Amino acid sequence: NAGVTQTPKFQVLKTGQSMTLQCAQDMNHNSMYWYRQDPGMGLRLIYYSASEGTTDKGEVPNGYNVSRLNKREFSLRLESAAPSQTSVYFCASREGQDYEQYFGPGTRLTVT
Amino acid sequence: DQQVKQNSPSLSVQEGRISILNCDYTNSMFDYFLWYKKYPAEGPTFLISISSIKDKNEDGRFTVFLNKSAKHLSLHIVPSQPGDSAVYFCAASDMYSGGGADGLTFGKGTHLIIQP
Repeated sequence: NAGVTQTPKFQVLKTGQSMTLQCAQDMNHNSMYWYRQDPGMGLRLIYYSASEGTTDKGEVPNGYNVSRLNKREFSLRLESAAPSQTSVYFCASREGQDYEQYFGPGTRLTVT
Repeated sequence: DQQVKQNSPSLSVQEGRISILNCDYTNSMFDYFLWYKKYPAEGPTFLISISSIKDKNEDGRFTVFLNKSAKHLSLHIVPSQPGDSAVYFCAASDMYSGGGADGLTFGKGTHLIIQP
């Protein structure tokens, strides 16, 4: 039981390049989330998906798109990366009516 | 405007003593609070939580206290151990009361350092 997995662990992009961050969970959770964490900041919600086929914006969605491919997988896409998107990205999932979210190990992204 | 505030960026405590981490919030619609622990290069892991209808929740060495009138919660760790050195995040949810976006609202974190 791997929990929440994220790929890649590290990525360096040049400004304007695109990439997709992958997230998968094996806990059969309905809800999935993408957060970013910047130095000295808490985690901020980018997008979430309450169930397969639905996605909604969080606090900081600009510059990102998401896809809930199936119940297991929730991907985050940067179409044209900017230095302001340099951050650590965390994916999380949650079961049913529980409040607790379970986090993946993160992807450290640097945009130069 | 920050809805969840952790005003101490760092805290140093001697091994064996009590660690007290504080958190304040401004949104009265928050009805559930969680503490997460984070080691470097890892994702946050859930530690303990409390519903707004309670004022205390205990789990082993960890106790969370909620003062709803003051919009304040605290995490007590007794006794503190070297493995407790980590960043602790306070988080809050209004998932079932706010009618707004799903997801947790996090504070900026407190770096707890346990001194031997």
